[in-house]
Amino acid sequence: ETGVTQTPRHLVMGMTNKKSLKCEQHLGHNAMYWYKQSAKKPLELMFVYNFKEQTENNSVPSRFSPECPNSSHLFLHLHTLQPEDSALYLCASSQDLSSGPNTGELFFGEGSRLTVL
Amino acid sequence: SQKIEQNSEALNIQEGKTATLTCNYTNYSPAYLQWYRQDPGRGPVFLLLIRENEKEKRKERLKVTFDTTLKQSLFHITASQPADSATYLCAPFGNEKLTFGTGTRLTIIP
Repeated sequence: ETGVTQTPRHLVMGMTNKKSLKCEQHLGHNAMYWYKQSAKKPLELMFVYNFKEQTENNSVPSRFSPECPNSSHLFLHLHTLQPEDSALYLCASSQDLSSGPNTGELFFGEGSRLTVL
Repeated sequence: SQKIEQNSEALNIQEGKTATLTCNYTNYSPAYLQWYRQDPGRGPVFLLLIRENEKEKRKERLKVTFDTTLKQSLFHITASQPADSATYLCAPFGNEKLTFGTGTRLTIIP
């Protein structure tokens, strides 16, 4: 148990569906991240939030829409996805950006395995 | 652009031997480097962080080295066990970014 919980663990959706991935951290951290992991590719950073404010959007297509209502919760809203969006989506948290990636570790959730048909 | 290479995609080591994984980076100078372990279908788990001014770091059976001249980090697991089988990711931090390698899948053979 890493203190970062992701739901659902598995999701199958059609290209016209709308769904959301949820992440909750119980570590008192202030920075939260979405990563995409595809087979044989390195982890790709998608979005970063620090104290609920988005600080990074790594040229992610608009069919992925993040939401961070507070420092403990992070969502990734999905709509009109493509089959190539099928991947493992990982949420992570760290203390905050002044101490997180600069000096410390990322705490990852178990991921949401997304399949787009 | 900055590039990270982790030696082989897969590595098989006999139980009890030392496993050595390599992480090479080019086109930047990371301030520090992290190593993570990832089991199939799970998220990565942090193992060790080594800074640019540290030559070596140890934690139980794990040892990490950081050679800024060679632009390389080595990750060693001594007295390897089948439970050490997993994918190991290196992640150098430089240019205000933590960038992950593709990982090395390590299998310890009993």
